[in-house]
Amino acid sequence: DAKTTQPNSMESNEEEPVHLPCNHSTISGTDYIHWYRQLPSQGPEYVIHGLTSNVNNRMASLAIAEDRKSSTLILHRATLRDAAVYYCILRESNAGGTSYGKLTFGQGTILTVHP
Amino acid sequence: SQTIHQWPATLVQPVGSPLSLECTVEGTSNPNLYWYRQAAGRGLQLLFYSIGIDQISSEVPQNLSASRPQDRQFILSSKKLLLSDSGFYLCAWSLSGRSYNEQFFGPGTRLTVL
Repeated sequence: DAKTTQPNSMESNEEEPVHLPCNHSTISGTDYIHWYRQLPSQGPEYVIHGLTSNVNNRMASLAIAEDRKSSTLILHRATLRDAAVYYCILRESNAGGTSYGKLTFGQGTILTVHP
Repeated sequence: SQTIHQWPATLVQPVGSPLSLECTVEGTSNPNLYWYRQAAGRGLQLLFYSIGIDQISSEVPQNLSASRPQDRQFILSSKKLLLSDSGFYLCAWSLSGRSYNEQFFGPGTRLTVL
């Protein structure tokens, strides 16, 4: 699996936007960019994913660079409940591939939200 | 709606004892199933995945094994636990067919081997 690079930690204030960066310079044309987050003592939770175009959902937005070598997860208004470890993961899109959709987690970014 | 169950939530076992962790999924058929482990302060590591009954693939050689006796049941086992088996064990499922489908994680089992 292609590797991703994220900052170890970031801090934000409540109700401010948060931009979480991810570098994936070795991304292939068939790799989807996925984001998951893990709250303390819980399993990871899917946040968003995209391929080439920017994506929005009720949780966040995903901005993907034109060359796809980096992406940014955007939380528009951080809340205390957004404090978590955020993982940026690349996944193959080929259903016939041998990866069977496995997720390869890195260390992620620890997001701290201050009241 | 789909739900995923894991039990037990916490477990303390002596070294050398056997292990059996169970995961069941409701509300879907023929899911892909996964077992992950998270050691203290580290990221998640994929241990096993399954695309169907009795079809198990191992990602990391270890003293653990997995079985899928029914479509929506996934079991993680060990004959003799090691200290290094301590960790947070997570089961996950995803829809089959597309490898980029999102995965849904269970609540996890926190295992301490003493």
